[in-house]
Amino acid sequence: KQEVTQIPAALSVPEGENLVLNCSFTDSAIYNLQWFRQDPGKGLTSLLLIQSSQREQTSGRLNASLDKSSGRSTLYIAASQPGDSATYLCAAMNSGYSTLTFGKGTMLLVSP
Amino acid sequence: EAGVTQFPSHSVIEKGQTVTLRCDPISGHDNLYWYRRVMGKEIKFLLHFVKESKQDESGMPNNRFLAERTGGTYSTLKVQPAELEDSGVYFCASSGHMNTEAFFGQGTRLTVV
Repeated sequence: KQEVTQIPAALSVPEGENLVLNCSFTDSAIYNLQWFRQDPGKGLTSLLLIQSSQREQTSGRLNASLDKSSGRSTLYIAASQPGDSATYLCAAMNSGYSTLTFGKGTMLLVSP
Repeated sequence: EAGVTQFPSHSVIEKGQTVTLRCDPISGHDNLYWYRRVMGKEIKFLLHFVKESKQDESGMPNNRFLAERTGGTYSTLKVQPAELEDSGVYFCASSGHMNTEAFFGQGTRLTVV
């Protein structure tokens, strides 16, 4: 049974800092891994999707990496801004299934 | 292009009552998923439709939950009778093909009192 863990649970940084959010998964037989952002009281916004054959994906100031063999993914946010404050979730899709297993998320606060 | 839409955004009901949640997926998406997040826990899968057929309902907690997707378009999730532990945020997602990017709705916050 796949389990996804996100560390840290919460993170507070001053504006401008580069930061890394961590995600680990127990079953390396994943089809893809997806990073989401959730603002308070809102739905999930897809940020990046990494296929199992890929090592990383980039979108603007965001870069996500994937290491299947070690069961890890990281989300790198460059030059953080107050607007980046949100909860970040990672979710793994296992091979043979079409459903996502989520971590509990990292709550990020970027202070001006 | 409209995203995934869920109704209502909030619902407060008494224990024992019935509630129906609705999800309109992105037009043309055959795959529709229901997920739930209860307080303090991670988001968990409930079930998966491919068009009007249930592909996987292994996450449904018990027989008080009934999901339908008539005609392969919108879907409803009915909880009858509702219990206190059913409180949480119910998310719907859709994708064009299996194993591709899932797009989520805003969620329905259900409170059972």
